[in-house]
Amino acid sequence: NAGVTQTPKFRVLKTGQSMTLLCAQDMNHEYMYWYRQDPGMGLRLIHYSVGEGTTAKGEVPDGYNVSRLKKQNFLLGLESAAPSQTSVYFCASSSSTIAKNIQYFGAGTRLSVL
Amino acid sequence: SQQGEEDPQALSIQEGENATMNCSYKTSINNLQWYRQNSGRGLVHLILIRSNEREKHSGRLRVTLDTSKKSSSLLITASRAADTASYFCATDVGSNYQLIWGTGTKLIIKP
Repeated sequence: NAGVTQTPKFRVLKTGQSMTLLCAQDMNHEYMYWYRQDPGMGLRLIHYSVGEGTTAKGEVPDGYNVSRLKKQNFLLGLESAAPSQTSVYFCASSSSTIAKNIQYFGAGTRLSVL
Repeated sequence: SQQGEEDPQALSIQEGENATMNCSYKTSINNLQWYRQNSGRGLVHLILIRSNEREKHSGRLRVTLDTSKKSSSLLITASRAADTASYFCATDVGSNYQLIWGTGTKLIIKP
């Protein structure tokens, strides 16, 4: 039971570098989400997708891009990393039919931008 | 912006005691959910209560919902060391299957 898998688990970037975080789910879920979690602030939604080929902005989308070319994968890109993007990033998925909007999370990616 | 505010921000109790944490929210909801996050891990869904329900149980968990006060509480009975975690409430307001998250309660169970 893999569920939601995030890679990588840790990453250190220098300011201005780019990277892509990969999220893969094997539950055939339609909805996928990218969050960031900062101390004392709970989860903030960056982008989300309601189906293959579709994406939408969440609460804090600036500086990030996403793509959902395959139903099972949701990629989060940082084109030019900034220290303010130091955070823990979580991917989640949920079904549109069964147990609507119960979200299943990956283990997170801890990103430091120096 | 966060929909939910949780109270207390941190709670430390002895093993075996009951732990109660509260969540307040701002707008009408379809349902309210509670999640647990162990240190360094992803969130795990615990329990969901619908807007037309007032109380729900799951094992040692009891959740109440008061829609008139826009608040919910999570009670963990007979706490164990393994319950040490952060607990988050999340509300489904019916918008594109997004959840609106609270800031969490950090629970520490002392042996």
